[in-house]
Amino acid sequence: EPEVTQTPSHQVTQMGQEVILRCVPISNHLYFYWYRQILGQKVEFLVSFYNNEISEKSEIFDDQFSVERPDGSNFTLKIRSTKLEDSAMYFCASRGGYYGYTFGSGTRLTVV
Amino acid sequence: GESVGLHLPTLSVQEGDNSIINCAYSNSASDYFIWYKQESGKGPQFIIDIRSNMDKRQGQRVTVLLNKTVKHLSLQIAATQPGDSAVYFCAEGSGGNTPLVFGKGTRLSVIA
Repeated sequence: EPEVTQTPSHQVTQMGQEVILRCVPISNHLYFYWYRQILGQKVEFLVSFYNNEISEKSEIFDDQFSVERPDGSNFTLKIRSTKLEDSAMYFCASRGGYYGYTFGSGTRLTVV
Repeated sequence: GESVGLHLPTLSVQEGDNSIINCAYSNSASDYFIWYKQESGKGPQFIIDIRSNMDKRQGQRVTVLLNKTVKHLSLQIAATQPGDSAVYFCAEGSGGNTPLVFGKGTRLSVIA
C-alpha cells in the first residue's frame, strides 16, 4: 500500500527559530496538502499545492509559512519564525485524482 | 461560513455492540464525504467514503449513510471491538482542488 511519509516524527524547536517539515507524497499523486491539528482539536487545512504552485491557503497560512516542492519527490512546509501557538501535529496529504486522499502519520512540532 | 460538525463529542459502547457516529454538514456543494479514524499520535486513517450520488455504502463492519435532504452523515460500526477505540472524523470535499474540511471529531471508547 503506497504511503505518505513525513519526517521528522517529532521536532522540538525554540520560539523564533525556523523549522522545515518534510513530506514524501505518493509518487504518482498530483495534489498536495498540509493540515495541522492542535492537541485535542480538529484537523485544519493550511495549504494546497498543485502544478508547482499554491492553489489555495487558509487564514492560518500567513507570511510565516511557505511550501516548496524542491524536487520530484519532496514537499516541504517551512515556518520561518516559530511561535508557541505553532505547536501542533502537522499532516501532509496527497491525492491522485478527484478522490482518494492519503495522509501521512504527521510531525509533532513542539515550540518551547 | 460553511462547516462540518458532529452531534456527539464522546461515545462509549460495550464490546460487541454496534456504534453510530453522526456528522452534520452545511455545504450543499459538497459531493464527497469521508470518515477517518485517528488513533493517538497517528494521522487520519481512511475508513470509508461516499459520493453524493449514493445514500449508503458498506465496507467491512462499517456502513456510511448519507442523507442529503438534512445534510447528515453517519458511520455505523458493527460488533464494535476494543481496537475501534479512537477519534473519528468526518470530512467533506467538493471536488477539484478544494481541500477537505474536517469536523470536530468524536471519541469512541469501547468497554470490554
